[in-house]
Amino acid sequence: QVQLQQSGPRLVKPSQTLSLTCAISGDSVSSNSAVWNWIRQSPSRGLEWLGRTYFRSKWYFEYAASVKSRITVSPDTSKNQFSLHLNSVTPEDTAVYYCAREGGNWYPDSWGQGSLVTVSS
Amino acid sequence: DIVLTQTPLSSPVTLGQSASISCRSSQSLVYSNGDTYLSWLQQRPGQPPRLLIYEVSKRFSGVPDRFSGSGAGTDFTLKISRVEAEDVGVYYCMQTTQSTWTFGQGTKVEIK
Repeated sequence: QVQLQQSGPRLVKPSQTLSLTCAISGDSVSSNSAVWNWIRQSPSRGLEWLGRTYFRSKWYFEYAASVKSRITVSPDTSKNQFSLHLNSVTPEDTAVYYCAREGGNWYPDSWGQGSLVTVSS
Repeated sequence: DIVLTQTPLSSPVTLGQSASISCRSSQSLVYSNGDTYLSWLQQRPGQPPRLLIYEVSKRFSGVPDRFSGSGAGTDFTLKISRVEAEDVGVYYCMQTTQSTWTFGQGTKVEIK
């Protein structure tokens, strides 16, 4: 059974970088079938997909247009985890952030526990 | 991006009765391979979303058969039969046909 454990700061100052990590157990970040996603949820924007990474002989990265200029999703094969970095944050980036796995079947079958990140000075 | 519109936004239901949630897409969710990647998620208070239904009508592992999905093209429905107290929460449709995943705004199911 796949488990995803999120970690990272819960309070970030405006203009700084939001960073979260999702540790994977029960699967590999380098899997040739899985896709590793970041999604966030806020009262104003609802559920919003942010970005993904996956390995198919090489690493691929895909990002939502709304955050494309500010986001990086990066795998860490040595620790079997992947991370989200969102720079130049504003209070509008305050949300619960989730990591989620798509197991190669076009749906998110495993989710992290969620991380409420507040952007405030 | 594909816009998913759910109705109703709130659904008070009596225990043991049924609830239906509609999800309408701004464009067809049929992928080039003929499959339709429309899923339903349940989110209980304080928890992450949980997958219930994928590819319109397939129940995910461990999901009770009280949950059923139907529809095609742009119109989809989630039905909860014989509602139980544990079904309280917010239900979302989501599409993964396009690479940019999008979600409905959510329907809150509560007990009358």
